[in-house]
Amino acid sequence: QSALTQPASVSGSPGQSITISCTGTNSDIGHFNSVCWYQQHPDSAPKVMIYDVTIRPSGVSNRFSGSKSGNTASLTISGLQAEDEADYYCSSYTSDNTVVFGGGTKLTVL
Amino acid sequence: QVLLVQSGPVVRKPGASVKVSCKASGYTFLTSHISWVRRAPGQGLEWMGWISPNTGRVDFAQKFQGRVTLTTDTSTRTAYLELRGLRSDDTAMYYCARGLKLNWFAPWGQGTLVTVSS
Repeated sequence: QSALTQPASVSGSPGQSITISCTGTNSDIGHFNSVCWYQQHPDSAPKVMIYDVTIRPSGVSNRFSGSKSGNTASLTISGLQAEDEADYYCSSYTSDNTVVFGGGTKLTVL
Repeated sequence: QVLLVQSGPVVRKPGASVKVSCKASGYTFLTSHISWVRRAPGQGLEWMGWISPNTGRVDFAQKFQGRVTLTTDTSTRTAYLELRGLRSDDTAMYYCARGLKLNWFAPWGQGTLVTVSS
């Protein structure tokens, strides 16, 4: 199972919106509505920001939103804040009954 | 409060084995699977496998088949990851995570740094 494809880096200024894409295949993103997005700050464990493509867990800011079209999922962060600077990972359940992550995207808030 | 607390950092020589523990509290241990994920220096997250404490069923990412053993001790609410035949590229932070639903993992343990060095 190959890793999902994400851009290595994205950047934006405070207050702006950014979108991170995550491309998979018909065996993962395209087949299941089980896309999650994780945020990881340095020296911290990952934290889930979105599950089941679009759902925000309790306590996650509504500035974070998820979507999916075909084999590509996206995470949008609106009203960028300095605290959003982190690494972001998408993940999907797969037809092999396994889980695959994306390579990760480093978000820089300028 | 749901918590996963992992064992401390370890150093191993190439070819050796390591066993990392993950003690759960604050929820019914049998109701959620435990996944193991690692992050090597300069790399991204990599899912290794999961285990159901209720049934003992395990599934692994293909690259870890035959080199990883996942177990649980329901009496102590602890999950274990054993990795054999360690290589330098196994140097990584290893995380356990509670699986709420398939790939929805929350919370995560604090991580265990495994360093493989001669």
